[in-house]
Amino acid sequence: NAGVMQNPRHLVRRRGQEARLRCSPMKGHSHVYWYRQLPEEGLKFMVYLQKENIIDESGMPKERFSAEFPKEGPSILRIQQVVRGDSAAYFCASSPGPYTEAFFGQGTRLTVV
Amino acid sequence: AQKITQTQPGMFVQEKEAVTLDCTYDTSDPSYGLFWYKQPSSGEMIFLIYQGSYDQQNATEGRYSLNFQKARKSANLVISASQLGDSAMYFCAMREDYTGANSKLTFGKGITLSVRP
Repeated sequence: NAGVMQNPRHLVRRRGQEARLRCSPMKGHSHVYWYRQLPEEGLKFMVYLQKENIIDESGMPKERFSAEFPKEGPSILRIQQVVRGDSAAYFCASSPGPYTEAFFGQGTRLTVV
Repeated sequence: AQKITQTQPGMFVQEKEAVTLDCTYDTSDPSYGLFWYKQPSSGEMIFLIYQGSYDQQNATEGRYSLNFQKARKSANLVISASQLGDSAMYFCAMREDYTGANSKLTFGKGITLSVRP
């Protein structure tokens, strides 16, 4: 039973490019959470999705960031026109339902140059 | 006010000794969960231990135990018999269970633990 899979593990983008981060939840999990970890900081909640629905995006920046979790395929976190301040580790977690333990992927480390 | 506070500077412990990592939290929700995660230098987040607000006993998982003091709103992690592989960042996190809160976690800033041989 594979865990939460994130890819790529490392991503380098130039300022102004787009970054697409993928998260495949554990089998049987239909709830996905995205978190961002800035250097020397704890993780900060960004967005919570169920299949085809955004449930809570209270932690998402208002511009350039979007997330989706389609009926088929992985969840995608998309960052348009990246800036240096977007450099961070982005973690995905999945759970089988609300109020249940969420399991984390290994993260994607985004570097904007 | 911060919801999760981890204020200890970098911690050092001798191999085979016990160490306590502090965590205080703030919530008005009567139902919540407290978590500890380990983040080694490789970067992944490893779940260590969970304590529910209504649990009568302190949680234990192998060498990890959680010293839960509800009235003081503290949830300290105790690692017994430290090993070199315990050197990592440790994060305390809280999930509040009010309606609509879902399972999102609020994290503290973390504590660095270094185990000396």
